[in-house]
Amino acid sequence: GDSVTQMEGPVTLSEEAFLTINCTYTATGYPSLFWYVQYPGEGLQLLLKATKADDKGSNKGFEATYRKETTSFHLEKGSVQVSDSAVYFCALKRVSGGYNKLIFGAGTRLAVHP
Amino acid sequence: DTAVSQTPKYLVTQMGNDKSIKCEQNLGHDTMYWYKQDSKKFLKIMFSYNNKELIINETVPNRFSPKSPDKAHLNLHINSLELGDSAVYFCASSPDSTTNEKLFFGSGTQLSVL
Repeated sequence: GDSVTQMEGPVTLSEEAFLTINCTYTATGYPSLFWYVQYPGEGLQLLLKATKADDKGSNKGFEATYRKETTSFHLEKGSVQVSDSAVYFCALKRVSGGYNKLIFGAGTRLAVHP
Repeated sequence: DTAVSQTPKYLVTQMGNDKSIKCEQNLGHDTMYWYKQDSKKFLKIMFSYNNKELIINETVPNRFSPKSPDKAHLNLHINSLELGDSAVYFCASSPDSTTNEKLFFGSGTQLSVL
């Protein structure tokens, strides 16, 4: 079945460091891909998405490019801030019985220190 | 006001008990979901309702019974709780079930079965 694999955390960085969180997927066809973020004490919220191959999703300085050759959707940010500390979830959309279903990875915790 | 709110935030109970988790959304969305996050942080869909009608029912023990009295509420009742039910349960909503895959999550209910 469809699945999403993320790099294990925690990822610990100093402020202004470059961030990469790896995400690869297994699916039939080319599903839409997403990154969700969960800040401490809150629910998940959509960070960015890409709906087809070579699309780049971006938001709040984060970017991810849909790579069908490597079935990947790695999350990057050039300079992280302490406020980026959160858990990041990669996900894909599958249509099941005509309805949308999001399949999530295990989440990667990011801790950014001053 | 919180868009998707679920109660309680923490729930500690004994094996064999019956408990409920409530969820309400004030976004006017048609579709609501329950997700379970296990100890390895994988987030898996359990149920989805669209306008009070069950549309997604994953392989979940029938001890779990969702109920949607109206499209703004989706409650989760669990009978005969087992140790393996310990997890964080997330409620979510989306504008609809087919065209808009953006989910809005509650902050989770941490269930501990002793």
